[in-house]
Amino acid sequence: DSGVTQTPKHLITATGQRVTLRCSPRSGDLSVYWYQQSLDQGLQFLIQYYNGEERAKGNILERFSAQQFPDLHSELNLSSLELGDSALYFCASSVGFRAGGIYEQFFGPGTRLTVL
Amino acid sequence: GENVEQHPSTLSVQEGDSAVIKCTYSDSASNYFPWYKQELGKGPQLIIDIRSNVGEKKDQRIAVTLNKTAKHFSLHITETQPEDSAVYFCAASKRGKLIFGQGTELSVKP
Repeated sequence: DSGVTQTPKHLITATGQRVTLRCSPRSGDLSVYWYQQSLDQGLQFLIQYYNGEERAKGNILERFSAQQFPDLHSELNLSSLELGDSALYFCASSVGFRAGGIYEQFFGPGTRLTVL
Repeated sequence: GENVEQHPSTLSVQEGDSAVIKCTYSDSASNYFPWYKQELGKGPQLIIDIRSNVGEKKDQRIAVTLNKTAKHFSLHITETQPEDSAVYFCAASKRGKLIFGQGTELSVKP
């Protein structure tokens, strides 16, 4: 158990809908990362937040957005869902973020999203 | 762009044998190289990592080597056990974000 929690575990929805995935980082961690895992794209970095502020962006679609709240939990919002958005979504957390710094990332159990 | 190539995609070994997984990265500014193990239905679990100023690191049956000049790094598992069966991912990191390889499905046969 990494200490990172994600809810829900599974989510089934229809095309065009909007969903929210939630992540609570390990106690004491200030940085949260979101990743998408699909069969064709593998594990891909989406976005990172540190202490409430966006720090880095990857291949995140404009239909997707995220935020980190004052209690440090994070939410990933996916809208206008398409069949191709079906994937596992993982949250990871690390202690901090400093330019050039190296911090181990610990992953949560993931949310499996199925778009029908 | 940033890219990590991982080989092989599948690897089958007999219990007790060694397993080696290799990765190549493209961005010479990458400074951190973690390895993750992912079991079915679970999130990736960090098993070992190495920083760019170190050539080799060992933790019991697992070791990682890094060749910065060639931009190669490898995972070595000795005395494999059935519970080592899983998908293994290498990653390269610069400024926090992880770029993952495509994964290696390791099967250890008793």
